[in-house]
Amino acid sequence: GAVVSQHPSRVICKSGTSVKIECRSLDFQATTMFWYRQFPKQSLMLMATSNEGSKATYEQGVEKDKFLINHASLTLSTLTVTSAHPEDSSFYICSARETGGGNQPQHFGDGTRLSIL
Amino acid sequence: GNSVTQMEGPVTLSEEAFLTINCTYTATGYPSLFWYVQYPGEGLQLLLKATKADDKGSNKGFEATYRKETTSFHLEKGSVQVSDSAVYFCALSLYNFNKFYFGSGTKLNVKP
Repeated sequence: GAVVSQHPSRVICKSGTSVKIECRSLDFQATTMFWYRQFPKQSLMLMATSNEGSKATYEQGVEKDKFLINHASLTLSTLTVTSAHPEDSSFYICSARETGGGNQPQHFGDGTRLSIL
Repeated sequence: GNSVTQMEGPVTLSEEAFLTINCTYTATGYPSLFWYVQYPGEGLQLLLKATKADDKGSNKGFEATYRKETTSFHLEKGSVQVSDSAVYFCALSLYNFNKFYFGSGTKLNVKP
């Protein structure tokens, strides 16, 4: 089946550091990838939709200068949390949608747990 | 607006017990409904889905029926196993599966 690889799975860093998270579709091409954030005991919240070769679409309330998204190829999207602070600590999950539009499903990565000290 | 509400956990059951996890939704259009499962340390896996009213999604012994009249999509399994221990998320999707709204998740613990 379709596999989405997310890296790193866990990262701990100091406040002020920028952190990059990668999301790769391993055996399929994904024109569209999605980035979610999950707070403890809460649901996943869509942060942004990443489209290959174009600018990402951010949900209301998500700072695009804080969360930089790059989707340079059909198999890779990256999320960079710039100048991270403790309130950015969260579980970030990406998903990738198979190219083809219509009713293609989303496949989720295993998530990245980000802890900012 | 669009939202999903599911019962809070954790839910603790003995092996072979009957499982129900309630899920209700509000949506501005005609959503598709999903159940995802997240095993410890892993990402979300699609468990089952239903795309229109009265559809029943089923997989691995789990079932859920899309009830438009009650705006519900309750997850059921007749006999749970220890291996079913995980967090279960109810979700709805609009606009050709581009946008998902997730419930807060329900943790299921199954004891031998």
